This record gives sequence, C-alpha cells and structure tokens, in this order.
Amino acid sequence: KNQVEQSPQSLIILEGKNCTLQCNYTVSPFSNLRWYKQDTGRGPVSLTIMTFSENTKSNGRYTATLDADTKQSSLHITASQLSDSASYICVVTLQTGANNLFFGTGTRLTVIP
Amino acid sequence: EAGVAQSPRYKIIEKRQSVAFWCNPISGHATLYWYQQILGQGPKLLIQFQNNGVVDDSQLPKDRFSAERLKGVDSTLKIQPAKLEDSAVYLCASSLGQFSSYEQYFGPGTRLTVT
Repeated sequence: KNQVEQSPQSLIILEGKNCTLQCNYTVSPFSNLRWYKQDTGRGPVSLTIMTFSENTKSNGRYTATLDADTKQSSLHITASQLSDSASYICVVTLQTGANNLFFGTGTRLTVIP
Repeated sequence: EAGVAQSPRYKIIEKRQSVAFWCNPISGHATLYWYQQILGQGPKLLIQFQNNGVVDDSQLPKDRFSAERLKGVDSTLKIQPAKLEDSAVYLCASSLGQFSSYEQYFGPGTRLTVT
C-alpha cells in the first residue's frame, strides 16, 4: 500500500534553533518527493522537489535530504524564525502518467520567541 | 504571475443544504485538481481534470459531490446535500500538465463548516 508517514506530528522550538522533520514512504514506483509549507488558512507552497537521483536540495534555510534506498527524507530548518510556524507536508509522486500525489499528514511546527 | 484563485474563502451551511465552490487556475495550466483536507490530515484528491475532461474521480463521492470544468478553465465543485463529515478545507490546484514532473500550485482553499 502506498503511504507517506511523517514525524513528529507536532514540534515546538525556540526562535533561532534548528530542527529536522522526518518523512518515510512506501510509494512505488517513485518519481519525486516534495516538501510543502502550509501556513494556517493558506494552500500548500512547494519548498523543494527531489527526484530519485538527488539526495539533497536546499532552498534558503530549508534543506531536504532523500535516501531512496531506505525511502526516507528529512527537512532541516536552520536558524528558525517565527514565520516558519506552519505545517510541513511531505508529498511523494508515483512514477505513472498521471500526477498522482501521496500526501503525508504533516508536521505542525511552532516557533516561539 | 497570478496564483490559483478560489471563492468563497469561508462557508457555513446546515446539513442537507447545498454549496458550491469556484476555482480559477493559473493561466495556461491544463490540469486542475480538487482536494479535500480534513483538519489534521493531508489533502485527499477528489477529482482531476485535464482541460475539460476528467482524468481521475475515483475518490469523489458521486452521490453527493459533482464537479465540472467548462471550457477547460474555471471549475466548480458542488456538494448536494452536505453532511457533517464534509466539514473540511477544499483546495484547488493547477499544473501545466498531468505528468509527475509538473508542480502543482495550490489556491488558498475554501473552509466549509457543516452544522
């Protein structure tokens, strides 16, 4: 069964600290993996996208890693800011003709001053 | 570049009433998606259009949900009659094409509360 699991469900950190979010998936055949940021009351916005051959991708203070062998990905946030408070969703796409996305349930990050 | 537009942003209705949501995708995007996102969960695909044809509606509760995309641009999603469990955020997304390499761009969503 194609599934995407994320951990932790929620996380509270102090402003300026780093954190790492985890994503494990069983989706196969794999096409790509995306990390989305979803602010409260907004739609998800893509942060990074990685294909099978990529094992790291950065976007400012966000760095995603991918281990296609173990089917694990992580999103590392450096020097967190209050505006990083949001849900972070891991999305894995099937390697089929259709844009078939499998969403994780997300990690709710709260950054406090 | 303008993003995906959705309206209304919020809607409160009583159970058994009807409701409709509207989506205007990014100009030139051939593929349009409707998702249902229940609180605390990831989005679930309801229906996918390629131009004005349906690609996938396998998870659409067809006894009460319907969607159309006339002229291959704007789309409407309708619920009739609504149930309490339909309370959720309804997200519209669009992409240039339907293949996995194309990124999906999401609208802000419509938050539906059924009482």
